[in-house]
Amino acid sequence: AQSVAQPEDQVNVAEGNPLTVKCTYSVSGNPYLFWYVQYPNRGLQFLLKYITGDNLVKGSYGFEAEFNKSQTSFHLKKPSALVSDSALYFCAVRDKGSSNTGKLIFGQGTTLQVKP
Amino acid sequence: GAGVSQSPSNKVTEKGKDVELRCDPISGHTALYWYRQSLGQGLEFLIYFQGNSAPDKSGLPSDRFSAERTGGSVSTLTIQRTQQEDSAVYLCASSFTRDSYNEQFFGPGTRLTVL
Repeated sequence: AQSVAQPEDQVNVAEGNPLTVKCTYSVSGNPYLFWYVQYPNRGLQFLLKYITGDNLVKGSYGFEAEFNKSQTSFHLKKPSALVSDSALYFCAVRDKGSSNTGKLIFGQGTTLQVKP
Repeated sequence: GAGVSQSPSNKVTEKGKDVELRCDPISGHTALYWYRQSLGQGLEFLIYFQGNSAPDKSGLPSDRFSAERTGGSVSTLTIQRTQQEDSAVYLCASSFTRDSYNEQFFGPGTRLTVL
């Protein structure tokens, strides 16, 4: 079965420090991976995606993610965290089942708390 | 341009009543998805529409849930005889097509509370 795991419920970082939000996946074949961010009482905002090509993907707001096939991971990173980055982050993989709907399978989410 | 819009933003209802949730996708997007976000279950897929094709209803939790998409645009999710476990945030998303490289754009959601 296809799945996504975000092993940390919460990540705490000091402003200005680098941040990493972890994601691992389980899917047959080549995965299509996405990161979304959710601010309080808002919908999900797309950050970045990996479809093919370079393993390092750059996205919105200075975020990037590294695709690692051997470790089946797609960790989200940012070199210098901002207080405004505090939010709920979701990793997702596109479903590759027989129905081929393109639906997303989400991890449980990781709350990022950036302290001044 | 305009993003995905949903209405109402909040809905409080009594157990046993029916509710309708509306989604307006981004113009030109042929694929439309409904997801449910709840504390215990995280983000779950509910139903998918692609153009005029038959929808994929595989994620609907019970036959009390149904959805339609009129004219390939606006979609309505209906929950009949609501139960307390239906309380959640219902999110709608659209994408240009269902193809893998197309990200989905999400609306702000409808927060449903069943008393």
